[in-house]
Amino acid sequence: EAGVVQSPRYKIIEKKQPVAFWCNPISGHNTLYWYRQNLGQGPELLIRYENEEAVDDSQLPKDRFSAERLKGVDSTLKIQPAELGDSAVYLCASSFRGYNEQFFGPGTRLTVL
Amino acid sequence: AQTVTQSQPEMSVQEAETVTLSCTYDTSENNYYLFWYKQPPSRQMILVIRQEAYKQQNATENRFSVNFQKAAKSFSLKISDSQLGDTAMYFCAFMKHVMPRAGSARQLTFGSGTQLTVLP
Repeated sequence: EAGVVQSPRYKIIEKKQPVAFWCNPISGHNTLYWYRQNLGQGPELLIRYENEEAVDDSQLPKDRFSAERLKGVDSTLKIQPAELGDSAVYLCASSFRGYNEQFFGPGTRLTVL
Repeated sequence: AQTVTQSQPEMSVQEAETVTLSCTYDTSENNYYLFWYKQPPSRQMILVIRQEAYKQQNATENRFSVNFQKAAKSFSLKISDSQLGDTAMYFCAFMKHVMPRAGSARQLTFGSGTQLTVLP
């Protein structure tokens, strides 16, 4: 069984540019999470989807961040425009409804110059 | 709000020895789950072990075991017979026990991590 797939693995951009991250969860997992992990810290939740519905986006900086999961499967997280402080690893995870274990992807390391 | 504290930023252990990683948490909840995740340099976060707060018996997974002290809000991870492949960042995490569609309640709250190095 394939795990959570994320792309790209690395992204380097200049500040004020847009950037997008893609995530494909494990087949059959209806819950999808996006986390941000700053250097030397644990991941922090940005947004959680149940199927195509964003049920928790309270920690998503909505002025510059957006996310979508149009068909309830794969998801895209976008930043526009990027700022220096957005440099971090962006992790995607998925789980099956009713189960607590979250399966993580390898993450995208974003560097904003 | 829940907080998770890992007071050991770095630890090292000799191969084949035993090491214990500490974690404390703060919550007013009675039902919850606790996890230890491993994150090697590849960045893939891997679940090591899980503990349900209502269970008094400490969870065990092969060489990994926990010491769960609910009253003290302590959740330490013991790694026996350490192997070079155990070198990684280890994160302790907390999750409230709620119905699946509840809002932010299903999020994981992570500690800041402990970098474990197994020495040959």
